[in-house]
Amino acid sequence: AQKITQTQPGMFVQEKEAVTLDCTYDTSDQSYGLFWYKQPSSGEMIFLIYQGSYDEQNATEGRYSLNFQKARKSANLVISASQLGDSAMYFCAMREGGDTGRRALTFGSGTRLQVQP
Amino acid sequence: NAGVTQTPKFQVLKTGQSMTLQCAQDMNHEYMSWYRQDPGMGLRLIHYSVGAGITDQGEVPNGYNVSRSTTEDFPLRLLSAAPSQTSVYFCASSSLVNSNQPQHFGDGTRLSIL
Repeated sequence: AQKITQTQPGMFVQEKEAVTLDCTYDTSDQSYGLFWYKQPSSGEMIFLIYQGSYDEQNATEGRYSLNFQKARKSANLVISASQLGDSAMYFCAMREGGDTGRRALTFGSGTRLQVQP
Repeated sequence: NAGVTQTPKFQVLKTGQSMTLQCAQDMNHEYMSWYRQDPGMGLRLIHYSVGAGITDQGEVPNGYNVSRSTTEDFPLRLLSAAPSQTSVYFCASSSLVNSNQPQHFGDGTRLSIL
């Protein structure tokens, strides 16, 4: 069974500093995808970044980057130059392997990030 | 550009009542799914569908029914609501063509069962 572990229930970061949110995963699939979502206090789920298991380079999207270490089964989210609007809950999620069938996501329990001025 | 639309946004039910949570998407996505989010937890998959007429169970299906008669709509039915079903419910959709495409989520339905 797939499992996502986020060991940091809460994190604080100073505005303009970088922060790393940890995510480790467990799967027996060779092909899988890793996603990060942001959930602000308003409740919606906002997609941030994606990393495929066969992608050789770490994914980047603006101020977000993913530190993907396949052998260690970790996919940490790095947010550079934190902004007050980054304060939110962050979820790591994994999609089951292959290009067919399910797109079901397994979610971690989340990390609440608070950016301080 | 509606994306995924969920209705209602809030609902209070009494134990034993039934109701249907509506979900519609306008992106012609084959895959649709329902998740529930409980305090301190991530989202957990209830049911999913890979196309009209095809549904399957997720991690926590008990107490919920789904059907998919069109590509656009994927309603979630609670036949006899229980307090344990108090949660925030999210509907999501994605294309089956590219596996790297993210799931698009609706804004959620906050459901309280008294």
